[in-house]
Amino acid sequence: QVQLMQSGPEVKEPGSSVKVSCKASGGSFSSYTITWVRQAPGQGLEWMGRIIRIFGTINYAQKFHDRVTITADDSTSTVYMELSSLTSEDTAVYYCAEEIVPATSAHSWFDPWGQGTLVTVSS
Amino acid sequence: QSVLTQPPSVSGTPGQRVTISCSGSSSNIGSNTVNWYQQLPGTAPKLLIYKTNQRPSGVPDRFSGSKSGTSASLAISGLESEDESDYHCAAWDDSLNGPVFGGGTKLTVL
Repeated sequence: QVQLMQSGPEVKEPGSSVKVSCKASGGSFSSYTITWVRQAPGQGLEWMGRIIRIFGTINYAQKFHDRVTITADDSTSTVYMELSSLTSEDTAVYYCAEEIVPATSAHSWFDPWGQGTLVTVSS
Repeated sequence: QSVLTQPPSVSGTPGQRVTISCSGSSSNIGSNTVNWYQQLPGTAPKLLIYKTNQRPSGVPDRFSGSKSGTSASLAISGLESEDESDYHCAAWDDSLNGPVFGGGTKLTVL
């Protein structure tokens, strides 16, 4: 099973950008679907977007589509999530996870998850 | 606010059976399968139930999932102190074209 290791915590100023990495080990990186989910303090989970490596497709949640960019580096088996124009409301733990898609997205699930990356936005 | 609705908290005593509800709509739970994730304090979520009622390897059969119409439920029987955790439901939403989550339910074992 794939293992996902994320980059360390970040502190950013309002208006700046943050780039979080998610390195995959085990299995075939080219066949992964990696999804990004965030969790603000004391809040629920929120899907941000995903990259479907086998098709080269990237989908973004409508809420973030103009601020988030997901990319992948095949040479290092790493997926990146960059979020721009940060505000205090972006303070959250950001998780990557492998999305298992047996047939269609309607029946997919997330397993395993990375350990999470805390991003704090503060002046 | 979360698209799926869960109670903020539930509680039970050791050995008891508890259920956690997850309410959605025809565009998510009503037409797609439901997943449940367990999140122990300070840790990442972990898959608990997938495709509404399937348990991954290693998850005890004390945990079970079901769905009826636009609502889903997670049942935990033989409650143990180690079950004290946050539980999140999730489903694909056809209108939003992405997965949606509930706000999470904190289970306290008294």
